Formats: sequence, structure tokens, C-alpha cells
Amino acid sequence: EVQLVESGGGLVQPGGSLRLSCAASGFTFSSYWMHWVRQAPGKGLVWVSCINSDGSSTNYADSVKGRFTIARDNAKNTLYLQMNSLRAEDTAVYYCTREKYSSTWQLAGAFDYWGQGTLATVSS
Amino acid sequence: DIQMTQSPSTLSASVGDRVTITCRASQDISNWLAWYQQKPGKAPKLLIYKASSLESGVPSRFSGSGSGTELTLTISSLQPDDFATYYCQQYNSFQGTFGPGTKVEIK
Repeated sequence: EVQLVESGGGLVQPGGSLRLSCAASGFTFSSYWMHWVRQAPGKGLVWVSCINSDGSSTNYADSVKGRFTIARDNAKNTLYLQMNSLRAEDTAVYYCTREKYSSTWQLAGAFDYWGQGTLATVSS
Repeated sequence: DIQMTQSPSTLSASVGDRVTITCRASQDISNWLAWYQQKPGKAPKLLIYKASSLESGVPSRFSGSGSGTELTLTISSLQPDDFATYYCQQYNSFQGTFGPGTKVEIK
């Protein structure tokens, strides 16, 4: 069974840092692109960042570029999101997601498994 | 950056109704569109990918169509479990963008 379990959320002051982790199991983690998606309380979904299967390529939403860093450790089956210079508007539930492959083993641009989310609250 | 809009933002419907949600992209996204269902306090669930491919395990009353800048999600006969918020999501140049969501409420 595929499982994604996030951790590391909490309360931090503006300007502070948090490191989120996502422990993956039930699939070959090193074969999949992984993404972070966030959702502010009562608001919609926002794509945050992605990383390719071997960790050599990353991309970010403009709103977090230069402040957040995505990384992975394929030996530990774990995805990370280092969040620095946090702002109140970064307050959200952060979801770890897996990008789906189609039946022809092409990336499908869609997220087929999601973790339960971890809440990061930025407030003084 | 590609912007996504959805209409309507809220939809009131009854069990058994046929429901259509439209997603519009600010530029051509071909068929790089997915649809998700989200219930309060839960993670989103993938329904449709590549505009019209039904995710495994998703009931066949859900279908997706369209390409380019206007794509739709249709629920052929609304069931009690379908009352939720629905999001479209495009994926282009290794960046994703979600629509603002459509809340499907009980009429």
C-alpha cells in the first residue's frame, strides 16, 4: 500500500524556518517525481515545488522561489521541504504528493497519492 | 504563468442531477489537465488525468473532456458521496497550477 506521511509542521515566527519531511513507503520512491502542494486554511490548493526522481532537477512556484528548497534522500525514501524566511502567508497545510505515470510509463502531470498533510503556522 | 479559472464557483444540485464544471486556462494546455475531489479535512483525490483518463477505482459517472483552453468535468448522475469541492489542475513546463475550486452543494 502506498503511503506518504508528512511531519515537521508547527508554529514558527515570521522570518523563521521549518523543515518538512515526507516518509514514503509501498512503492519504488526513487522512480517517481515528487511534489509539495499547500492549502491555506479555508482556501484552495496551491502547487509549491517539484523534484525529479534522482533529485537532479527542481522547480518552484514564484511565491516561494529563493526561500524554499526541495530535496530528497532516495536511500531513506524521504522527501523534504526546507522553508526559510517564512511569512504569515505561508501558513498552510503542506501536502506531499506523488506524480502519476500513465499506462505507457509517461509522466501524467497529475498527483495520484497524497499524504495527510502537515500544518505550518507562521505567526508572532 | 498559466492561470486557471473554474465555473461555477458554487453549484447547488440534487441527487441524480447531471453536473458539469468548466475549467479555463489562460493559454493552450493541450490535455495536460487533472481533476480532483476534496472533502473537508481530507487530502484531495485524483479523479481524471490527461483531461479524459479515468483514474483507477473512480466511478464511471465521472468523465472529463476538452482540450486547449476549455475543459470540463461531468458527473452523469450525482450521488450523495459526490458533494465536495472539485479542483482542476494544469501541468506545464514542470509547474502546476490549480483552479480556485467549485463547491458542489446539496440543493
